[in-house]
Amino acid sequence: DTAVSQTPKYLVTQMGNDKSIKCEQNLGHDTMYWYKQDSKKFLKIMFSYNNKELIINETVPNRFSPKSPDKAHLNLHINSLELGDSAVCFCASRDLQETQYFGPGTRLLVL
Amino acid sequence: AQSVTQPDIHITVSEGASLELRCNYSYGATPYLFWYVQSPGQGLQLLLKYFSGDTLVQGIKGFEAEFKRSQSSFNLRKPSVHWSDAAEYFCAVGTNAGKSTFGDGTTLTVKP
Repeated sequence: DTAVSQTPKYLVTQMGNDKSIKCEQNLGHDTMYWYKQDSKKFLKIMFSYNNKELIINETVPNRFSPKSPDKAHLNLHINSLELGDSAVCFCASRDLQETQYFGPGTRLLVL
Repeated sequence: AQSVTQPDIHITVSEGASLELRCNYSYGATPYLFWYVQSPGQGLQLLLKYFSGDTLVQGIKGFEAEFKRSQSSFNLRKPSVHWSDAAEYFCAVGTNAGKSTFGDGTTLTVKP
């Protein structure tokens, strides 16, 4: 059973479009994250939710909006996609010992 | 605010040779320290972690790391590297506020 899953795995889209990425975890964790990894493989946190409540919101454009319908799901919606948004987006969840469990990533390419 | 430095961007070792990846952190209190590995096209996977107690921690795949408070370091080691160890390695420091800060990563290449 996949612990943290993301869909889609690949997302190729035109500039200006709006797109969503979905994440689900079946580990029973209360806390979930969205990270962005750029072409140099630098990993930066974007958002964190704890029990559906936003607790971390790093410096991310307002075009990025997370939504957590329940504690097992954390989706990411991106409006008006720009070329610079191309990256790999990782979802993760965290256990009580601070260990994070990562999804396989969504490779976002904006043309 | 916490920070993590991985001084080596890229390391190349021969298969069978020993490996040490460096990690230095900055955090005011006792940190939670982690090493994660990312294979090509994959997400990050936990190798090992340190919370407290024994400063030498063992992880999966034959890796170990040593926490040295005096040097603010948490270096990762493996006595004999396998070709399958080629990957990106990330050191991270976590707080009990739930935020982990990751280093910029070290790319490991293994020569046959």
